[in-house]
Amino acid sequence: DQQVKQNSPSLSVQEGRISILNCDYTNSMFDYFLWYKKYPAEGPTFLISISSIKDKNEDGRFTVFLNKSAKHLSLHIVPSQPGDSAVYFCAASRLSGNTPLVFGKGTRLSVIA
Amino acid sequence: DAGITQSPRHKVTETGTPVTLRCHQTENHRYMYWYRQDPGHGLRLIHYSYGVKDTDKGEVSDGYSVSRSKTEDFLLTLESATSSQTSVYFCAISEAKGTSNQPQHFGDGTRLSIL
Repeated sequence: DQQVKQNSPSLSVQEGRISILNCDYTNSMFDYFLWYKKYPAEGPTFLISISSIKDKNEDGRFTVFLNKSAKHLSLHIVPSQPGDSAVYFCAASRLSGNTPLVFGKGTRLSVIA
Repeated sequence: DAGITQSPRHKVTETGTPVTLRCHQTENHRYMYWYRQDPGHGLRLIHYSYGVKDTDKGEVSDGYSVSRSKTEDFLLTLESATSSQTSVYFCAISEAKGTSNQPQHFGDGTRLSIL
């Protein structure tokens, strides 16, 4: 059973607009959430994380929102740039202890100039 | 960039042959991981290590073994490769700050084709 779900396989956004990528999780023990970005032929790159004690974390153009009651998180990219075109993975884990990350299947973002 | 080197970067081999992939890190991180990435599946954990000679199974460990005899090296072995193990393999490393886990950082992957 998938514990981390990214229900949109792909998303297209115009340059300069907001990109919103969504992620749902089922395991209520998860308290640490991360977003990774992946370009073709490269490894995933860490973007931003959030722990369950917060509901928002911001880093430049990237903001992650966490809704614990809905078991939902989202990544907002504002403004979107062509270089943001990549596959984005959501991941979840426990903040402490020896608990590996569980990844979603990814969402391919295309930012159109 | 995190100091993670995967070798080889590309490999083509035949069914039934043994294959070993290497992950080498220069960050002295405690945790090391092997994932595989396949279309429609995202990243799935194969095995991970939480210290020298300490390893555990992940979600898709069947057909794979690992070894970690030194902090810096984590080896993934396919004892008898099958076509279903054709995939892109990623190594990742991470550390803990106090009791809190830190983000994993990934190598650039090994593309393995088994014919």
